Amino acid sequence: AQKITQTQPGMFVQEKEAVTLDCTYDTSDPSYGLFWYKQPSSGEMIFLIYQGSYDQQNATEGRYSLNFQKARKSANLVISASQLGDSAMYFCAMTPPPGGSEKLVFGKGTKLTVNP
Amino acid sequence: KAGVTQTPRYLIKTRGQQVTLSCSPISGHRSVSWYQQTPGQGLQFLFEYFSETQRNKGNFPGRFSGRQFSNSRSEMNVSTLELGDSALYLCASRRQGTSGVSTDTQYFGPGTRLTVL
Repeated sequence: AQKITQTQPGMFVQEKEAVTLDCTYDTSDPSYGLFWYKQPSSGEMIFLIYQGSYDQQNATEGRYSLNFQKARKSANLVISASQLGDSAMYFCAMTPPPGGSEKLVFGKGTKLTVNP
Repeated sequence: KAGVTQTPRYLIKTRGQQVTLSCSPISGHRSVSWYQQTPGQGLQFLFEYFSETQRNKGNFPGRFSGRQFSNSRSEMNVSTLELGDSALYLCASRRQGTSGVSTDTQYFGPGTRLTVL
């Protein structure tokens, strides 16, 4: 069974600084997808970034980058130049190999607070 | 392009009642999944529909059911509501749904917040 672990219940960062949110995963499948979502207090889950298990390079999307270390089974999210609007819950998630239902397995999330 | 929409956004029901939640996926998306989010259990997968067929179901009692229509819109129904059903119910849509293709991102709607009194 797949499992996602996010060990940081809460993180604080100063505006304009970078922050790393940790995510480790467990799976026996060689093929999988890793996602990060942001959930503001409004509730909507906002897709941030995706990393495939066979992708050779770390994914980047604007201020977001994913530090993918396959051997260590970690997929940490790095947010550069934090903004006040980045304050939210952040969830790491994974999907099984393609070929059927691709339900997302989520971690428990990390609450990020950006201080002015 | 319009995102995933969910109606209603908020619901208050009493124990024993039933409720129907609706989800309209992004245009062109054929797969719709439902998730329940509670403070205690976190985000849990309920079920996924593709081409009007339930393809996978999470570990929830039979009181939780769903369906998908030919236009890919989906509804989920919870019968005989219990206090523990109070949660944020999130719907997500995905473009692909067939085997042998790379993983497609699931895009979520704003959720329906259900309160059971």
